Amino acid sequence: GAVVSQHPSRVICKSGTSVKIECRSLDFQATTMFWYRQFPKQSLMLMATSNEGSKATYEQGVEKDKFLINHASLTLSTLTVTSAHPEDSSFYICSARGGTGWYKETQYFGPGTRLLVL
Amino acid sequence: DAKTTQPPSMDCAEGRAANLPCNHSTISGNEYVYWYRQIHSQGPQYIIHGLKNNETNEMASLIITEDRKSSTLILPHATLRDTAVYYCIVTIDDKIIFGKGTRLHILP
Repeated sequence: GAVVSQHPSRVICKSGTSVKIECRSLDFQATTMFWYRQFPKQSLMLMATSNEGSKATYEQGVEKDKFLINHASLTLSTLTVTSAHPEDSSFYICSARGGTGWYKETQYFGPGTRLLVL
Repeated sequence: DAKTTQPPSMDCAEGRAANLPCNHSTISGNEYVYWYRQIHSQGPQYIIHGLKNNETNEMASLIITEDRKSSTLILPHATLRDTAVYYCIVTIDDKIIFGKGTRLHILP
């Protein structure tokens, strides 16, 4: 199957700082990438959708100025959590879509990034 | 909200087939059914997807009813490593929206 990587796998930062998370599709070109967040014992919640070269589309209730998404190439998307606070501590997971044929609409997920804001 | 309904949890004995049901009564004619699973503290893993016909790959089989209102994921020989939360998903506006899934416990 298609491989999606994320970096870093875990990060600890101080309150008020910004953190950038990278998401890469390693063996295919991702026309669309997605960012999810997951709190303990809860399901994944979609935050935003981004298409290469376009502005991201954010889900209702997600602050676009706090969660900056850049999808500058067909293999890389970044999520920057600006002025992070303890309530932003969560598991952030990206996914990428861009396969061919039967897998054209299939989303492949990265391993996730665990963010802890102190 | 997710367009599917799954039991919150199931048990299966190791080595037996695990049959995970899913209801998607509002599915449209051109919408696919996707199955993913999430093992603790990892990103979701794609398992299989289907439209009308039954599908099989190296991981599982997907049985879709003729009216497409429900489906069953079959793991033919469950192992302890199959312990995970399994998500049955019908996309909403071409996006994967997760429900609560089924927590599958494989019993030794």
